[in-house]
Amino acid sequence: DIQMTQSPSSLAASVGDRVTITCQASQDISTALNWFQQKPGKAPMLLIYDASQLQTGVPPRFSGSGSGTHFTLTISSLQPEDAATYSCQQSDLLPLTFGPGTLLHIK
Amino acid sequence: EVRLVQSGAEVKKPGESLKISCQGSGYTFTDFWVAWVRHLPGKGLEWMGIIYPDDSDTRYNPSFKGQVTLSADKTISAAYLQWSSLQVSDAGTYYCARPGRSGSGSYYDALDIWGQGTMVTVSS
Repeated sequence: DIQMTQSPSSLAASVGDRVTITCQASQDISTALNWFQQKPGKAPMLLIYDASQLQTGVPPRFSGSGSGTHFTLTISSLQPEDAATYSCQQSDLLPLTFGPGTLLHIK
Repeated sequence: EVRLVQSGAEVKKPGESLKISCQGSGYTFTDFWVAWVRHLPGKGLEWMGIIYPDDSDTRYNPSFKGQVTLSADKTISAAYLQWSSLQVSDAGTYYCARPGRSGSGSYYDALDIWGQGTMVTVSS
């Protein structure tokens, strides 16, 4: 199985801050990488697909980059409603695997 | 509106069987796979497996093979996740999701539509 790791595991940032979360795959997955946002008690929501493509309806302050084994999710100007857990997921090889998640708090 | 609607929360005892459902609407259910994802308390998401409702072709995560059964009834646009004997460690929230972002019909497509989740409690 492809192992996905994320850092940091949690972070706290202020409204307006630029936030970056990283995700690493245990082997080359090209750009087969998706990012999800999940709020407590809610289903995950697709933010970014194919490493850098913004899902319809997602605010443009969210962006993704990377290829191969190293990927980043960036929030350019943090908003209060962005408090959530962010998870990466590889879609290159079955079984599909998720990272452990990054819990983002608003200061 | 494209939707996946899951069955309600369940409270079960160890050793009991359980079947939860996921009902699709607003799209041609047989054109897309349906994935199942587990979320244990305090843990990350885990992809359990995927089923193609048109012919019930199934792919399991080896970690879950033999532990659960995926099935589907295309006549009523429903997919199911089933346990024959629940364990305490199965307690968590289970989501169905559609890999349909591009409309390609591939199980590698991004999971763009999710059910609301079914919480399963297993306690003696």
